[in-house]
Amino acid sequence: QSALTQPASVSGSPGQSITLSCTGTSSDIGSYYLVSWYQQHPGKVPKLIIYEDFKRPSTISNRFSGSKSGNTASLTISGLRTEDEADYYCCSYAGNDTYVFGSGTKLTVL
Amino acid sequence: QVQLQQWGAGLLKPSETLSLTCAVYNGSFSGYYWTWVRQPPGKGLEWIGQINHRGNANSSPSLKSRVTISEDMSKNQFSLKLSSVTAVDTAVYYCARRSLVTRGIDLWGQGTLVTVSS
Repeated sequence: QSALTQPASVSGSPGQSITLSCTGTSSDIGSYYLVSWYQQHPGKVPKLIIYEDFKRPSTISNRFSGSKSGNTASLTISGLRTEDEADYYCCSYAGNDTYVFGSGTKLTVL
Repeated sequence: QVQLQQWGAGLLKPSETLSLTCAVYNGSFSGYYWTWVRQPPGKGLEWIGQINHRGNANSSPSLKSRVTISEDMSKNQFSLKLSSVTAVDTAVYYCARRSLVTRGIDLWGQGTLVTVSS
């Protein structure tokens, strides 16, 4: 059970849209509708922003959206803001009541 | 509001056993998976394992042989033990709550930095 693969870093300018990828296998992302995404600011605990591939908690802005194709999940942030600068982690159910996180992406808003 | 409060030893020597406990305040213990996640300094999140209120526990295959997760529903607490620690186990350890409805981790403890050093 290896960590899901995420790009180490992504950057964007305020107002732009960016997409973060999360690549797994047919044993995790590709088999279940159970990808979640977390935002973590420095020194803070992670925060759930997407669950079940594309659903958003009621407190999360609709600028955040999730999608999936095959073994790859994606998080799109539209109308990028400086406060979106953070680390982002995907997480997938991997069967047998286990989960696996992604390696994480550092988003820089230039 | 529901809160998770965790505690345990922050400095261990190699080969010792890590022991952390997490208490659930102002909320139900039933209906959730109680989860442990760790994060080495400057690195990413790693799922350690989880347990439900019935005591059904699962852990990461890579840690399974060293991990014990238990719960005490009478105290609204759950615990993590990780045996035979080495320097690579140095990390911030988080207790957390996974919703059975959303399957997302929607509540986190404050985190405990555990350092393994001789």
